Amino acid sequence: DQQVKQNSPSLSVQEGRISILNCDYTNSMFDYFLWYKKYPAEGPTFLISISSIKDKNEDGRFTVFLNKSAKHLSLHIVPSQPGDSAVYFCSAYYLGANNLFFGTGTRLTVIP
Amino acid sequence: ETGVTQTPRHLVMGMTNKKSLKCEQHLGHNAMYWYKQSAKKPLELMFVYSLEERVENNSVPSRFSPECPNSSHLFLHLHTLQPEDSALYLCASSQNPGSWDEQFFGPGTRLTVL
Repeated sequence: DQQVKQNSPSLSVQEGRISILNCDYTNSMFDYFLWYKKYPAEGPTFLISISSIKDKNEDGRFTVFLNKSAKHLSLHIVPSQPGDSAVYFCSAYYLGANNLFFGTGTRLTVIP
Repeated sequence: ETGVTQTPRHLVMGMTNKKSLKCEQHLGHNAMYWYKQSAKKPLELMFVYSLEERVENNSVPSRFSPECPNSSHLFLHLHTLQPEDSALYLCASSQNPGSWDEQFFGPGTRLTVL
């Protein structure tokens, strides 16, 4: 059973506007959530993370919000740029476990 | 070469073949990982190695056999695979096992089993 879900396989956004990528999870034991970004023919690269004790983490144009009661997190990119076009993966883990659980990814297209 | 490299980038094999995927990291990391990404499925962690010792095996069938001869190299030996094993196989490394936000991925090997 999937513990991390990304229900939107794709998203298109105009350049300069906000991109919001969503992620839901089922396991309340998760301690950390991470977002990865993947370009074609390349491996995923780490983008931003958030601890379960926080509700927001910001890094430049990227902000991740966590709503523990809803078991939901979102990645906001503002302003969106064409170079942000990629597949974004949400993932989660709990401390002490050698496993990282991924969602299926959302393909973001930023239209110039 | 820098980062994490994987060879071959593409592989087509029959169900009776034996082949190996190779991963090499040039980052001085102590942990290495194999992941599988099937179409429309989440990325799945298969194996975790720490200093050449396997520390995690996530219920992977025995037709997948990993080998870590040293901290820089990781292999995935394949034999008698099934068509449903066709997927993108990604290797990654990090300084320590479980340092997920410090994980560097290779570009992957696209495997097709006929």
